[in-house]
Amino acid sequence: GDSVTQMEGPVTLSEEAFLTINCTYTATGYPSLFWYVQYPGEGLQLLLKATKADDKGSNKGFEATYRKETTSFHLEKGSVQVSDSAVYFCAWGGNDYKLSFGAGTTVTVRA
Amino acid sequence: DGGITQSPKYLFRKEGQNVTLSCEQNLNHDAMYWYRQDPGQGLRLIYYSQIVNDFQKGDIAEGYSVSREKKESFPLTVTSAQKNPTAFYLCASSIGGGPWTEAFFGQGTRLTVV
Repeated sequence: GDSVTQMEGPVTLSEEAFLTINCTYTATGYPSLFWYVQYPGEGLQLLLKATKADDKGSNKGFEATYRKETTSFHLEKGSVQVSDSAVYFCAWGGNDYKLSFGAGTTVTVRA
Repeated sequence: DGGITQSPKYLFRKEGQNVTLSCEQNLNHDAMYWYRQDPGQGLRLIYYSQIVNDFQKGDIAEGYSVSREKKESFPLTVTSAQKNPTAFYLCASSIGGGPWTEAFFGQGTRLTVV
């Protein structure tokens, strides 16, 4: 069935390190893809999105490219900060009004 | 400011009691959703509503009920039939009408059964 698989955590990095969180999806058709971020004790906030193949979403130094050929939407940031410590969720939405989420990846950035 | 408001932020319930979680939005969105979040399991869809007076079961609807009498409101009742209700509950809304553009989330309600 349709699903999202993202890299398991937790991930611990030093400030200014490079961050990659892998996300792959299995879906029929051409879903829209999203990365959401959740800070401790809060709801989810949209970080970036891409609605068609080869689109690149970007925000706050994070980037992800919709790769149809590899069914992937990996999240990257070149230089992380302590304030980037959060849980990151990959998600996809099709035409059936359901937004499907990955399990989440906890990222901790140390000063 | 437009947004989604969930209340209360923390809720304690005794076993065998029903409890209702509030979700209100002033974004004029047609679609609203309830998700449950457990550690290491991501978000799972409980119920969703595409329009007033209509709603559908998600992946884990057993032990939950909802209503959608107003466009702005989508309350979730956790009934005594829910075997393991302790969790973080998130409400979301979107413009609706597919395909997906973006979902906006509330701050969540943490329910603990004592």
